[in-house]
Amino acid sequence: GAGVSQSPRYKVAKRGQDVALRCDPISGHVSLFWYQQALGQGPEFLTYFQNEAQLDKSGLPSDRFFAERPEGSVSTLKIQRTQQEDSAVYLCASSLDTGNSPLHFGNGTRLTVT
Amino acid sequence: DQQVKQNSPSLSVQEGRISILNCDYTNSMFDYFLWYKKYPAEGPTFLISISSIKDKNEDGRFTVFLNKSAKHLSLHIVPSQPGDSAVYFCAASAVGFTDKLIFGTGTRLQVFP
Repeated sequence: GAGVSQSPRYKVAKRGQDVALRCDPISGHVSLFWYQQALGQGPEFLTYFQNEAQLDKSGLPSDRFFAERPEGSVSTLKIQRTQQEDSAVYLCASSLDTGNSPLHFGNGTRLTVT
Repeated sequence: DQQVKQNSPSLSVQEGRISILNCDYTNSMFDYFLWYKKYPAEGPTFLISISSIKDKNEDGRFTVFLNKSAKHLSLHIVPSQPGDSAVYFCAASAVGFTDKLIFGTGTRLQVFP
């Protein structure tokens, strides 16, 4: 497709379960970002990749959060031992990284931890 | 500490009138600013941007104004249309338009006939 694709759209997990969220960026986009959006808030930065290199992971809230992009295309955000406070929409965004190209967001994965 | 603030959670405007959405920031290192629009159950969509070397950028019905001394920017939509009804997020970056963005909490705009 032409846009950023995220799956699943919705995920319900019991507290303590592990989850994996997938992001397919726009073909050819070098930069890939993950954001977390809590209810009623703006998106908050989690981590950033340039190709397969994770250049910034300063926004990951704990060591239960892990992201990878092994071949510089598809990315996976993994959350281990989910907690209720992890409930949020997880947004993936990609860009050409030309400096002037804005981020293109996917529709997100809504995670609910019960 | 909220570095980007949108103090109006909602705004209601009649179709055809001007919509003005405001955004304030605290970090003087921010040089790149963007507005995103978000419909329910969709991701944010880029609308318009401005860098600190300019004080105005226009794209069709959308104009963004930047006042660096006041650390304030605004988005003007003229004329407003019902399809503009959405949540609008202001975002800022110190490094570039494609770098880590700091978002405000959003303003819900409703345009009524």
